[in-house]
Amino acid sequence: GQNIDQPTEMTATEGAIVQINCTYQTSGFNGLFWYQQHAGEAPTFLSYNVLDGLEEKGRFSSFLSRSKGYSYLLLKELQMKDSASYLCAVRDADYKLSFGAGTTVTVRA
Amino acid sequence: IAGITQAPTSQILAAGRRMTLRCTQDMRHNAMYWYRQDLGLGLRLIHYSNTAGTTGKGEVPDGYSVSRANTDDFPLTLASAVPSQTSVYFCASSEGSGSGTDTQYFGPGTRLTVL
Repeated sequence: GQNIDQPTEMTATEGAIVQINCTYQTSGFNGLFWYQQHAGEAPTFLSYNVLDGLEEKGRFSSFLSRSKGYSYLLLKELQMKDSASYLCAVRDADYKLSFGAGTTVTVRA
Repeated sequence: IAGITQAPTSQILAAGRRMTLRCTQDMRHNAMYWYRQDLGLGLRLIHYSNTAGTTGKGEVPDGYSVSRANTDDFPLTLASAVPSQTSVYFCASSEGSGSGTDTQYFGPGTRLTVL
């Protein structure tokens, strides 16, 4: 099984940078995903890492260290619309996703 | 582009009643999934199907059953609902190719309350 930890809540100011950490313990690893979920809506895909290093996609970047069981999602130039929950998910060898409880990010003006 | 649809959007159900949550995708994805999302616990996998005609149990399958008669539809049935099944239920699908991202795409969810 998987054990995935991420902070419950984070608050940041519009225009700032926020880093959401995710640590995991896994019996089999086949990739790490980040999803964004606005209140009352479905999760939507943000990023995918399977090799160590940084993946950049516009204002969002995701980093993975497999040896440390660690990932982070970096949100730059924060906007009010970035207020949402961010879900870290690990895919196992059977291609099943296990999700962390999610980090609620609140962006203040 | 419809993607994944779920029905109903929300439902209040008396304990002991039978309920089927519907999920349909039009992306011709092989794999489909049912999750429940509870505050503080995140998304937990109930059942999954890697391809039409096959199903498997996830992390929390008790009290739920699924079927996959064709590629597009993946209904979830609660045979006799209990209050602990109050949750938001999400259906998801993916190509199931096993390659690259093979991203899961989620439906809009069904909010179920069992009284």
